[in-house]
Amino acid sequence: TQLLEQSPQFLSIQEGENLTVYCNSSSVFSSLQWYRQEPGEGPVLLVTVVTGGEVKKLKRLTFQFGDARKDSSLHITAAQPGDTGLYLCAGALQGAQKLVFGQGTRLTINP
Amino acid sequence: ETGVTQSPTHLIKTRGQQVTLRCSSQSGHNTVSWYQQALGQGPQFIFQYYREEENGRGNFPPRFSGLQFPNYSSELNVNALELDDSALYLCASSPFVGNTGELFFGEGSRLTVL
Repeated sequence: TQLLEQSPQFLSIQEGENLTVYCNSSSVFSSLQWYRQEPGEGPVLLVTVVTGGEVKKLKRLTFQFGDARKDSSLHITAAQPGDTGLYLCAGALQGAQKLVFGQGTRLTINP
Repeated sequence: ETGVTQSPTHLIKTRGQQVTLRCSSQSGHNTVSWYQQALGQGPQFIFQYYREEENGRGNFPPRFSGLQFPNYSSELNVNALELDDSALYLCASSPFVGNTGELFFGEGSRLTVL
C-alpha cells in the first residue's frame, strides 16, 4: 500500500493543453516536495510546500498543499514538450528521517 | 561546485553475488540517503547516514548495508543478490539531517540481477 497515491499514473496530452496531477494520502505531512525526473537522471526538486493551503507558482506550474496537509496538486498551464518527464511527490512525516515518495506520474506532451 | 556522483552507472550481477555501489556527496553536504527505484515506481527509502552513522532505515533486510566515510562519501552494499533487487539505486545528499531539506540526487546506479 502506497502512503502517497499519485494520479493519474500516466498522462499523454497535446502541447498547449492544461493538466493537473494529484498526490493524496491519509497521513499528515510536515512538508511536501515535488520532483521531476528525466530518463537516465535522478529526481530534481521543483518546489517545497510547508503550510496548509499554500500555493506556489513556478512559471507555468502551480503547486498547492491541501489545507489539512494530506494532499497536494500540480497544475501545468499550456503544457510544452519540455514538460515531459516523471513527476514525483514526496512527503516528510514529522520525526522521520525519510521522504516518502509517490509512485510517480509519467507525463508525455506531444508536439 | 560538484554535484552528487555515483558509480558504477550500470552493472549486471547474478543471483547470490554481492555488489557495492558508491556515492560522492555534494560539497558541504554531510547527510547521504539511499533510495531504491524499481521500474515504474517511486523511490523507496533504504537508509540515511549522518556523520558516519546510520540515522534511519527503511523496510529493507539486513543484507542491505552501508557506510559513510569522513569525507561524507558513502557506499551501499547488497549481499546475496535476488532478482527483485534489480532497480535503479539513487544516492541523495543534503546539508540537513532528516527529511526537511531538498535532496540532491545523483544519476543513479542501474543494477540488473540475472
